[in-house]
Amino acid sequence: QLQLQQSGPGLVKPSQTLSLTCAISGDSVSSNSAAWNWIRQSPSRGLEWLGRTYYRSKWFNQYEPSVKSRITISPDTSKNQFSLQLNSVTPEDTAVYYCARDTSGWPFDCWGPGTLVTVSS
Amino acid sequence: AIQMTQSPSSLSASVGDSVTITCRASQGITNDLNWYQQKPGKAPDLLIYSASNLQSGVPSRFSGGGSGTDFTLTISGLQPEDFATYYCLQDYNYPFTFGQGTKLEI
Repeated sequence: QLQLQQSGPGLVKPSQTLSLTCAISGDSVSSNSAAWNWIRQSPSRGLEWLGRTYYRSKWFNQYEPSVKSRITISPDTSKNQFSLQLNSVTPEDTAVYYCARDTSGWPFDCWGPGTLVTVSS
Repeated sequence: AIQMTQSPSSLSASVGDSVTITCRASQGITNDLNWYQQKPGKAPDLLIYSASNLQSGVPSRFSGGGSGTDFTLTISGLQPEDFATYYCLQDYNYPFTFGQGTKLEI
């Protein structure tokens, strides 16, 4: 059974980098039929898809345009996990961050538990 | 980006009632529309995918319909555990976008 376990700091200072990791058990980050996503949720912005990484003979990424200049989602095949880095954060980036899998036909069928990240000095 | 507009934003109902939530896309998305249920403090759960397909383990009182730009989620015979917030999601193209949510309250 697929499980996603998130880790990372809950407090980040403005202008610094938010870094979160999602460890996968029950599937592979290199799966040819899955994609690995980061999604965030805040009262002001609702649910917002941030981006994904996936492997189809080579690695691909897609990112939400409003964060594209600040975001990197990358796989770590040695640890079967993937990570989110969001640079130059502001208080507007305060949110609960979720990792999630989607497979062909089953979008976001499994989610991590969520990590509340607060951007504050 | 495709805008997803849900209505109503909140809804009051009673156990046993039937309710319908709608989601409208700003452009046609064929049937690439999915519904999620979220309870406080938890991640969303997939209920319906591809507009009308019930995710494994989801009770049959949930049903989805529509195509193109207009979609519905119907819950027939509300149970106490159904009181939650519901979101639609389009995965027709990037960036994937969610509706703003419908809070179903007693």
